[in-house]
Amino acid sequence: GGIITQTPKFLIGQEGQKLTLKCQQNFNHDTMYWYRQDSGKGLRLIYYSITENDLQKGDLSEGYDASREKKSSFSLTVTSAQKNEMAVFLCASSPLGNQDTQYFGPGTRLLVL
Amino acid sequence: AQSVTQPDARVTVSEGASLQLRCKYSYFGTPYLFWYVQYPRQGLQLLLKYYPGDPVVQGVNGFEAEFSKSNSSFHLRKASVHWSDWAVYFCAVSMEGGRALIFGTGTTVSVSP
Repeated sequence: GGIITQTPKFLIGQEGQKLTLKCQQNFNHDTMYWYRQDSGKGLRLIYYSITENDLQKGDLSEGYDASREKKSSFSLTVTSAQKNEMAVFLCASSPLGNQDTQYFGPGTRLLVL
Repeated sequence: AQSVTQPDARVTVSEGASLQLRCKYSYFGTPYLFWYVQYPRQGLQLLLKYYPGDPVVQGVNGFEAEFSKSNSSFHLRKASVHWSDWAVYFCAVSMEGGRALIFGTGTTVSVSP
């Protein structure tokens, strides 16, 4: 078994601030993902990374940057936080060749004042 | 474009009663279909998955789902609901060899005594 850890669990930011979310996995999975979860809108893919140093844009990449520093970690940066923004950011990972089965972290809850 | 529709945002069911959650997909080609569950304050967990083959698939905790190509549906069922099934359920689709999942908006299941 393995686990996905997301830090921080809660993040409160100011409008215009750059905010960074971190994700670590010990499954030794190749592929990692960042999703945004908004109430009533389900999960939308922001970025994913097939392997270390790879980055692929999802449907919601505008306003975000990502970095796959090493196989076990995948960071997401909100480049300029929007006022009153409230969402949950979920990190996931999957083994190469079985990317349908994704394992999710508990999420980072963002609130922008 | 590929999409997933979950028409019911919220379903309330009595403990011990049966449950059906609806999922319709729009997809060109052979879909791979999934149901994920999100318990309160947790990440998503895979309940079951469909790969082309037997249209009825069994999952964990007594859940099953049935694929219908003619109806473009993948409904989730459980014969007898337990209070611990209180959660948000997401239907998702991917294509063969696909890199990421497309999620529906989710259905919140509340269980009454």
